[in-house]
Amino acid sequence: GIQVEQSPPDLILQEGANSTLRCNFSDSVNNLQWFHQNPWGQLINLFYIPSGTKQNGRLSATTVATERYSLLYISSSQTTDSGVYFCAVGGETSGSRLTFGEGTQLTVNP
Amino acid sequence: DTEVTQTPKHLVMGMTNKKSLKCEQHMGHRAMYWYKQKAKKPPELMFVYSYEKLSINESVPSRFSPECPNSSLLNLHLHALQPEDSALYLCASRPGHGSMNIQYFGAGTRLSVL
Repeated sequence: GIQVEQSPPDLILQEGANSTLRCNFSDSVNNLQWFHQNPWGQLINLFYIPSGTKQNGRLSATTVATERYSLLYISSSQTTDSGVYFCAVGGETSGSRLTFGEGTQLTVNP
Repeated sequence: DTEVTQTPKHLVMGMTNKKSLKCEQHMGHRAMYWYKQKAKKPPELMFVYSYEKLSINESVPSRFSPECPNSSLLNLHLHALQPEDSALYLCASRPGHGSMNIQYFGAGTRLSVL
């Protein structure tokens, strides 16, 4: 199956800083989602981005499918951005499955 | 509305108890999922229902029994669980058709097995 690697595993920022999270995957994908899991466990959809670039407020994401990676950018970080960010992918042979990376634990300090 | 509702939010049960987790969505989605998530790990797929039929069972022990009574509802019946089954159980749904293959997750049920 598809392998997914996220980096860095942990990231500590001061409020107001910018950051880039990376997701590498081992095969072509037809589904790529970025999630934010808050401290209460809720997985919140950030982006559905199997290719291209999208922006939503302070967040943006880019997926370069031909090079098998995706980037999540967080600008002007806030304490509420803390939590775990997951990249999850699905490929042509994955059926209904999403394969999750191990996540990036982000802590934003005031 | 992109809401997937899970009940209960928290559950404590003994190893001899029988309990059920419930998941509901009213988005017309035709695929529904159960995941298990241990602390500091990503969600692991357990079951997938597609058009109310079980399409994927990821070799889950028989003490977990899924049920899809209709297209909006997904249950997970629990019996004779072990303490290592304590985890966050997440439900998800997706349209099941079309090009936007987005999975939407509920808030989860936090299960403790004593």
